[in-house]
Amino acid sequence: DIVMTQSPNSLVLSLGERATINCRSSQSLLQSSNNKNYLAWYQQKPGQPPKLLFYWASAREFGVPDRFSGSGSGTDFTLTISSLLAEDVAVYYCQQYYSSPRTFGQGAKLEI
Amino acid sequence: EVQLLESGGGLVQPGGSLRLSCAASGFTFRSFDMSWVRQPPGKGLEWVSDINTRGDYRQYADSVKGRFTISRDNSENTLYLQMNSLRVDDTAIYYCARVPGGDRHDFDVWGQGTMVTVS
Repeated sequence: DIVMTQSPNSLVLSLGERATINCRSSQSLLQSSNNKNYLAWYQQKPGQPPKLLFYWASAREFGVPDRFSGSGSGTDFTLTISSLLAEDVAVYYCQQYYSSPRTFGQGAKLEI
Repeated sequence: EVQLLESGGGLVQPGGSLRLSCAASGFTFRSFDMSWVRQPPGKGLEWVSDINTRGDYRQYADSVKGRFTISRDNSENTLYLQMNSLRVDDTAIYYCARVPGGDRHDFDVWGQGTMVTVS
């Protein structure tokens, strides 16, 4: 199974600051045949189901604000929030869909 | 509006059974693979099971293989998860989720979840 490791586990920042969450996979998620990284990012606010933010590591889901960005390739990926708003308080998860079983990172809790 | 609505959760004793349902609306259910993902209280996400559009290909996490069965009724736009031989560590919120399709196997639509407590 591919192991997904996120860092940090939690972060406390101020409004307007930049947040960076990292995700590392135990093997490459880059498919050479199509040059796509099989990685997604989710946001889960308290008491809510997860919400898809990015797929293919950097393709923004419809409706996701552009202060959010996804980057990286191979085994190392980053979710960046350029300027934090209070509504961004959540747990953020990465997930690989390169192979089954689909696996998630342990989550990164963002607090303001 | 695209929507998934789970039901069927509850309190069950170890060794017992439950059947979860997920009613889909607002999209062509028969055109999408579907999944179940669970989340123990206060913990992270764990993929549980997948089923393809026709219902003739299923995958399971090792932790539930042989105990859980995923199925679907495309005429009723409903996804199911039959859970047998339940264990305390199956306690979780169970979400049904839509798989976008193509080469993608992320989850683009999620239900609100149904709580299963094994105790």
